[in-house]
Amino acid sequence: DVKVTQSSRYLVKRTGEKVFLECVQDMDHENMFWYRQDPGLGLRLIYFSYDVKMKEKGDIPEGYSVSREKKERFSLILESASTNQTSMYLCASRGGATASETQYFGPGTRLLVL
Amino acid sequence: EDKVVQSPLSLVVHEGDTVTLNCSYEVTNFRSLLWYKQEKKAPTFLFMLTSSGIEKKSGRLSSILDKKELFSILNITATQTGDSAVYLCASSIFGNEKLTFGTGTRLTIIP
Repeated sequence: DVKVTQSSRYLVKRTGEKVFLECVQDMDHENMFWYRQDPGLGLRLIYFSYDVKMKEKGDIPEGYSVSREKKERFSLILESASTNQTSMYLCASRGGATASETQYFGPGTRLLVL
Repeated sequence: EDKVVQSPLSLVVHEGDTVTLNCSYEVTNFRSLLWYKQEKKAPTFLFMLTSSGIEKKSGRLSSILDKKELFSILNITATQTGDSAVYLCASSIFGNEKLTFGTGTRLTIIP
């Protein structure tokens, strides 16, 4: 079974703090994704990575950066958290180009920025 | 811009009823349509559809894709309270690793 884990289920931070969200997958997947999920807006892609040290902007990258130093780990960084970044953050992974395009999701991190 | 639209936004039915959830898409270079079920946390994969008119089934759930009219439906028969969840559909395209998600349908089953 594919397993995607996220470092925290719930996180409370203050405006201006630097926030790290960690995601680890154990299936040797090439592709990893960070989404945020907000009521009425669905899942929106922030960044994704198709290989170590490679990253691509998704639909809403502003205010975020990412890091992929190892294949199994993909980090989302909020350089200076703001209240409008309060959201549920979901990480996902999938295999390479020839693999099924099914993405497997982690349990999510609910972030509250005060 | 690629777009996936789900309807209805929410649905409340009684246990035992049959429901149909809709997903329409407008994407360039369409590859597949995926359905996910999201309860309290991670979305879990249900179906992936690539060909028109071929029904995929898993127990009481089934889904079909119409590539001419650009939509898919997810059917759930004899609903149970455990079917209460948000159902997400997403489209994938060739040449890109991204999925475009709809906003989801929140299904509530009343005992």
